[in-house]
Amino acid sequence: DTAVSQTPKYLVTQMGNDKSIKCEQNLGHDTMYWYKQDSKKFLKIMFSYNNKELIINETVPNRFSPKSPDKAHLNLHINSLELGDSAVYFCASRQRNEQFFGPGTRLTVL
Amino acid sequence: QKEVEQDPGPLSVPEGAIVSLNCTYSNSAFQYFMWYRQYSRKGPELLMYTYSSGNKEDGRFTAQVDKSSKYISLFIRDSQPSDSATYLCAVTQGGSEKLVFGKGTKLTVNP
Repeated sequence: DTAVSQTPKYLVTQMGNDKSIKCEQNLGHDTMYWYKQDSKKFLKIMFSYNNKELIINETVPNRFSPKSPDKAHLNLHINSLELGDSAVYFCASRQRNEQFFGPGTRLTVL
Repeated sequence: QKEVEQDPGPLSVPEGAIVSLNCTYSNSAFQYFMWYRQYSRKGPELLMYTYSSGNKEDGRFTAQVDKSSKYISLFIRDSQPSDSATYLCAVTQGGSEKLVFGKGTKLTVNP
């Protein structure tokens, strides 16, 4: 019954590795997002997709590449992980002006 | 100037207290105002949503928007320990525009 789900919940990896986070929503929404929440709890948008099309890219390094195979899924691939990428990444979907967040993926880069 | 300013706290109150949480924003184009509640190690969940100026009440929670002063507030009456969480204000112009969040205020309600 989970509306917005993410996998994995926790991700611990070494600097320089490549990793992916997956997101799925079963709400039938057209728009999905990726947010990054840093250690000070500041939540900042990274990307937004509408019906598989990229509509917002907030000056995120090229190492981050979102992919939307269909409108229910929005995955995030990160190349050459850096220490500063350690954060909690949240996926969200939108209906009108309300956004619904997933449980988050806590990424730790060692 | 940041788009949305929010005092991060932390704020600690006794059970039963009235809590007031506030944000200011800089862009007068923002039309939609939200409050999200985030429990520790969970995703944010939408608590209150208002459009334009005015008040909106939902149980113990009241959201207030004053567009003339670009000020938004959330009041919690009869606060409970279960209200302990981080509260984030968010604003948007609407449509496909992005949500801009405040930094969040961490609230602890002590029994």
